[in-house]
Amino acid sequence: DGGITQSPKYLFRKEGQNVTLSCEQNLNHDAMYWYRQDPGQGLRLIYYSQIVNDFQKGDIAEGYSVSREKKESFPLTVTSAQKNPTAFYLCASSAGILPYEQYFGPGTRLTVT
Amino acid sequence: GQQLNQSPQSMFIQEGEDVSMNCTSSSIFNTWLWYKQDPGEGPVLLIALYKAGELTSNGRLTAQFGITRKDSFLNISASIPSDVGIYFCCAGKSTFGDGTTLTVKP
Repeated sequence: DGGITQSPKYLFRKEGQNVTLSCEQNLNHDAMYWYRQDPGQGLRLIYYSQIVNDFQKGDIAEGYSVSREKKESFPLTVTSAQKNPTAFYLCASSAGILPYEQYFGPGTRLTVT
Repeated sequence: GQQLNQSPQSMFIQEGEDVSMNCTSSSIFNTWLWYKQDPGEGPVLLIALYKAGELTSNGRLTAQFGITRKDSFLNISASIPSDVGIYFCCAGKSTFGDGTTLTVKP
């Protein structure tokens, strides 16, 4: 079955610790994205990557970092510099930047205390 | 960044009723997409629109790309309980509205 997997579904961390969220896709898509979702709000773009070894900042990149060493994988690190890291994180992929039809993973809910 | 105004914020309807929601922007976009999100899950694409004025259906769902390229609407006909969820518009590459939460009473 083709799709996007994110792990884990729930993640708990202490304040001050970096944490890495996993995102893997087997759709052979070139583009991958990371979004943050807070309660009652839409999705806000953190980072996106159009091709391996290349990525661009989205609207809220501060306190986050990414890598794209393989086409299938786009991990997101939430660093201790992120002031309010508790949120629902969604990874998505698309065949390219055009068309924009994105396929989403199931999400990771991160709680930092 | 760019912002979309999605309305209404929430809707409470009876099963069988029709639903209409819309998104507007001050900027022009070349694509409009509509997604549905179930609680605790990732959004799923419902309809994609690529041409101004385009009207597209997917079962009981119908969406239109506004002629000005600054708005789009989504209609759901004859709602059923499984229509419950949050509906998001998305314009361009990745500009999302804040969502419309739909509750359907049996």
